[in-house]
Amino acid sequence: AQKITQTQPGMFVQEKEAVTLDCTYDTSDQSYGLFWYKQPSSGEMIFLIYQGSYDEQNATEGRYSLNFQKARKSANLVISASQLGDSAMYFCAMREGATTDSWGKLQFGAGTQVVVTP
Amino acid sequence: GAGVSQSPSNKVTEKGKDVELRCDPISGHTALYWYRQRLGQGLEFLIYFQGNSAPDKSGLPSDRFSAERTGESVSTLTIQRTQQEDSAVYLCASSRKGGYQPQHFGDGTRLSIL
Repeated sequence: AQKITQTQPGMFVQEKEAVTLDCTYDTSDQSYGLFWYKQPSSGEMIFLIYQGSYDEQNATEGRYSLNFQKARKSANLVISASQLGDSAMYFCAMREGATTDSWGKLQFGAGTQVVVTP
Repeated sequence: GAGVSQSPSNKVTEKGKDVELRCDPISGHTALYWYRQRLGQGLEFLIYFQGNSAPDKSGLPSDRFSAERTGESVSTLTIQRTQQEDSAVYLCASSRKGGYQPQHFGDGTRLSIL
């Protein structure tokens, strides 16, 4: 079964506008972590932001913020004031059983391609 | 450099040959992960190492795939008797201990099987 679902295969957004990328997840664990990565056309995976399941506040990192709705099992990424350099594929990922002493794989969604237009 | 280093960056080989992919993690990162990314798709987990032991090999697609790691250093992913469906980008990542720690990725090895 798909653990991470990203329903938007692609999006266009105008420069300086905000964009929301959807991510829903499926887990029965109480302790888990959610990560967002950016993959430009050059191929490298760039870590953007993290949200822990026990975090009471939504994570923010510069122009990136997470709209975390635990009951709905969603962790949507919001990019404010889009820039041309934000054009990339964006992946949502989850690590189940995430504690301070754990490791463990990330499970990735299929990604959302974002194109920022002038 | 300070990042995860992978080599080669590109590999083209004939079907049936064996290939070895190398990953050099960030110094001090205990955990090392291998993923595969087929064209236009998300990342598919293969295996991860905690030090030089591999607690989770669940993603290795067949017994043609194997990996090893020397201590908390270099890892090699070996694919024997390559098939055309093995064509993909193979990404390595490393991280510190802790479920909240992000994984830092290398630039990948693009493997093409003719």
